[in-house]
Amino acid sequence: EVQLVESGGGLVKPGGSLRLSCAASGFTFSNAWMSWVRQAPGKGLEWVGRIKSKTDGGTTDYAAPVKGRFTISRDDSKNTLYLEMNSLKTEDTAVYYCTWYKGGYFDSWGQGTLVTVSS
Amino acid sequence: EIVLTQSPGTLSLSPGERATLSCRASQSVSSTYLAWYQQKPGLAPRLLIYGASSRATGIPDRFSGSGSGTDFTLTISRLEPEDFAVYYCQQFGGSPLFGQGTKLEIK
Repeated sequence: EVQLVESGGGLVKPGGSLRLSCAASGFTFSNAWMSWVRQAPGKGLEWVGRIKSKTDGGTTDYAAPVKGRFTISRDDSKNTLYLEMNSLKTEDTAVYYCTWYKGGYFDSWGQGTLVTVSS
Repeated sequence: EIVLTQSPGTLSLSPGERATLSCRASQSVSSTYLAWYQQKPGLAPRLLIYGASSRATGIPDRFSGSGSGTDFTLTISRLEPEDFAVYYCQQFGGSPLFGQGTKLEIK
């Protein structure tokens, strides 16, 4: 069974930083493309970014609102995905979901972790 | 940039009825990259349909997807109580993009 478990969310001040983690199991993580999707309170879904498998180059892509501030990385030895968030803004407040990104769609989702950016 | 517009915003139906949800793209989208998700309150979204018409693992056959080009449809043939939720369409034509969602509520 595929499991994705996010952690690391919390309250942070504007301009601050936070690192989210996502522990994956139940599939071959090293072969998987992974992605982060977020959802602001009461709003819809927004793609944050994606990382390819190392065999496919390991490159990353980001949505315009987070480009230059957020960094996605992976540790295949630990089956873990990361999202490093810097220069956080109040509009980054959201539940952040870790997802298994397969061929253009989001196949499996974690339960999400809440990030609140507020002074 | 492609925009996905879902309609209606809210759909009020009774259990047993048929639900038809629309997703319209501002320009043609490859069917390969059109998906639908269901989200219940407080839970993560769940993949229902990918490739416009293929059901994801474990999805009941009362859910079906269709369409091509700019117009796509999610149909729920006979609504069960657990189907009342928010539904999102999503396309990948460069960067992944979601529609704004349709809330399916009990009438």
